[in-house]
Amino acid sequence: AQKVTQAQTEISVVEKEDVTLDCVYETRDTTYYLFWYKQPPSGELVFLIRRNSFDEQNEISGRYSWNFQKSTSSFNFTITASQVVDSAVYFCALSESSGDKLTFGTGTRLAVRP
Amino acid sequence: EPEVTQTPSHQVTQMGQEVILRCVPISNHLYFYWYRQILGQKVEFLVSFYNNEISEKSEIFDDQFSVERPDGSNFTLKIRSTKLEDSAMYFCASSILGADTQYFGPGTRLTVL
Repeated sequence: AQKVTQAQTEISVVEKEDVTLDCVYETRDTTYYLFWYKQPPSGELVFLIRRNSFDEQNEISGRYSWNFQKSTSSFNFTITASQVVDSAVYFCALSESSGDKLTFGTGTRLAVRP
Repeated sequence: EPEVTQTPSHQVTQMGQEVILRCVPISNHLYFYWYRQILGQKVEFLVSFYNNEISEKSEIFDDQFSVERPDGSNFTLKIRSTKLEDSAMYFCASSILGADTQYFGPGTRLTVL
């Protein structure tokens, strides 16, 4: 069975600090996909990134970067120079090639203080 | 940019009543999904739908739930006899293929009194 663990329930940082959100996953499939979604206070779910299990290259998009390590079953998300607008709940999610569903972690609430 | 839309944004109903939540997926997407999020909790998968039939469903998706694609654009979730514990945000999502990125609608907040 697939499982996603986000051990950090809440993180509070001061603007311009770097912050890393942890995600650990479990799956028996060799082909799977990992995602991060952002849920701002307005409530919608905003897609941030999708990685497949065969692509362990780290990715950078502006202030966002992702570190995928199969050896530790982790897919961590770093925000560099955080801004108040980054305040949201961030969800890590997993889907297996054998099914369609996304399994979400419990989310990490990030508060960025000015 | 194409997006998933959902109506209504907020639905209030009495326990035992039937509700229908509506979604318009992105037009060239073939897979459709419903998820729910009880306030303050994680997002939970309910059901996926492809080629006019359910492809996967969770334990939550019991006999009181049903989904339908009544026409070429709408995708609906019906809850036959609502319970207090059905109060949640319901998200519709769609993807081009089954393992592709799922794009979510803004959600419908269902409140059962």
